[in-house]
Amino acid sequence: GESVGLHLPTLSVQEGDNSIINCAYSNSASDYFIWYKQESGKGPQFIIDIRSNMDKRQGQRVTVLLNKTVKHLSLQIAATQPGDSAVYFCAAGGGATNKLIFGTGTLLAVQP
Amino acid sequence: DAGITQSPRHKVTETGTPVTLRCHQTENHRYMYWYRQDPGHGLRLIHYSYGVKDTDKGEVSDGYSVSRSKTEDFLLTLESATSSQTSVYFCAISGKERGDFTDTQYFGPGTRLTVL
Repeated sequence: GESVGLHLPTLSVQEGDNSIINCAYSNSASDYFIWYKQESGKGPQFIIDIRSNMDKRQGQRVTVLLNKTVKHLSLQIAATQPGDSAVYFCAAGGGATNKLIFGTGTLLAVQP
Repeated sequence: DAGITQSPRHKVTETGTPVTLRCHQTENHRYMYWYRQDPGHGLRLIHYSYGVKDTDKGEVSDGYSVSRSKTEDFLLTLESATSSQTSVYFCAISGKERGDFTDTQYFGPGTRLTVL
């Protein structure tokens, strides 16, 4: 079945460093991808999205890269701050299914 | 939380009792969703709605029913709660930007349900 997975369950970085969180998806027909941030005890918060007609999209301190050839996307966070500590999910949608498929999440731990 | 509230925020109930969770939005989004979140799993879709009185099943719909009588409210009911339904439940809304399922989904704060 369809799946969206993450390469690393936990990522520990130093404050000020750049963070890269990776995600693989299985459905080649997926054409819409989202990154969410979830802090403890809260609901997922939208960070950035990208559609399949793009390879890269930038936001404030965040960049999402999409490689459709290998069905992989990544979230880059520049100058990681303690407030970035959270679980990050990717989600994929479109194609044969009109619903989002979520990954299990990566815990980003920012060390001061 | 993008104008989404969920109630109650926490609930403890006993096996076999009915439970209703409420999602309320003030954003006039067309689509509403109920997910559950469990350790080791990504968010899993229970049911969703694409308009008033229009609902459909998600991947884990067994044991759950939903209703949407108004644009702003989406109710999730556990007819007879079981311990396997202990979870955190999230409501999400979408549909205002592009008007289709690929619109960004915005999530509520969640309801933590414990079934003893």
